[in-house]
Amino acid sequence: QVHLVESGGGVVQPGRSLRLSCAASGFTFSRFGMHWIRQTPAKGLEWVTVISHDGSNKYYADSVKGRFTISRDNSKNTLYLQMDSLRTEDTAIYYCARVSMGTYYPFDYWGQGILVTVSS
Amino acid sequence: DIQMTQSPSSLSASVGDRVTIPCRASQRISTYLNWYQQKPGKAPNLLIYASSSLQSGVPSRFSGSGSGTDFTLTISSLQPEDFATYYCQQSYSIPWTFGQGTKVEIK
Repeated sequence: QVHLVESGGGVVQPGRSLRLSCAASGFTFSRFGMHWIRQTPAKGLEWVTVISHDGSNKYYADSVKGRFTISRDNSKNTLYLQMDSLRTEDTAIYYCARVSMGTYYPFDYWGQGILVTVSS
Repeated sequence: DIQMTQSPSSLSASVGDRVTIPCRASQRISTYLNWYQQKPGKAPNLLIYASSSLQSGVPSRFSGSGSGTDFTLTISSLQPEDFATYYCQQSYSIPWTFGQGTKVEIK
């Protein structure tokens, strides 16, 4: 069965960096695009970034462009999110999610989420 | 960006009720509309994709409809495990965007 497990969250000061990981299992990781999505009580669910199956295409939300970098290592079945210049408004639960095959691109599997708190 | 609007933000219903949850897009998105259910402390779970296609493993009491800008999620007979928050999401264009959610509460 498909399993996605995030790690690397925690408390970090504004301006500092943090790297999230998402370990994938139960499917052929190298065949699927992957996303990061975050959630806060105030703003709800917010799409953050996506990477294509082979890493050749990446897109970012304007709110994180230039500060966050998505990457993947298909040999390790792992997705990453490098978060630099963190701001208090980046505080959220971060989910990795798989994009389904086909045309309509729903997020068909999600990790359990990892909390990132940006605070001095 | 395409704005997704869900109203009401919450509704009360009883077990066995038929429940409809609306979602509106700020521009036409064809049928690039997906629905998720989220329970407290858990990740969202895909229910419906492409407006009306039932995700594998999801009970048939869930259905979706709509095209263009107006969409509806219907629960034909509400069950105790269906009390949760429901989100619509458009996958028509980047950035993908979500509605603010509709919480289904026990009457």
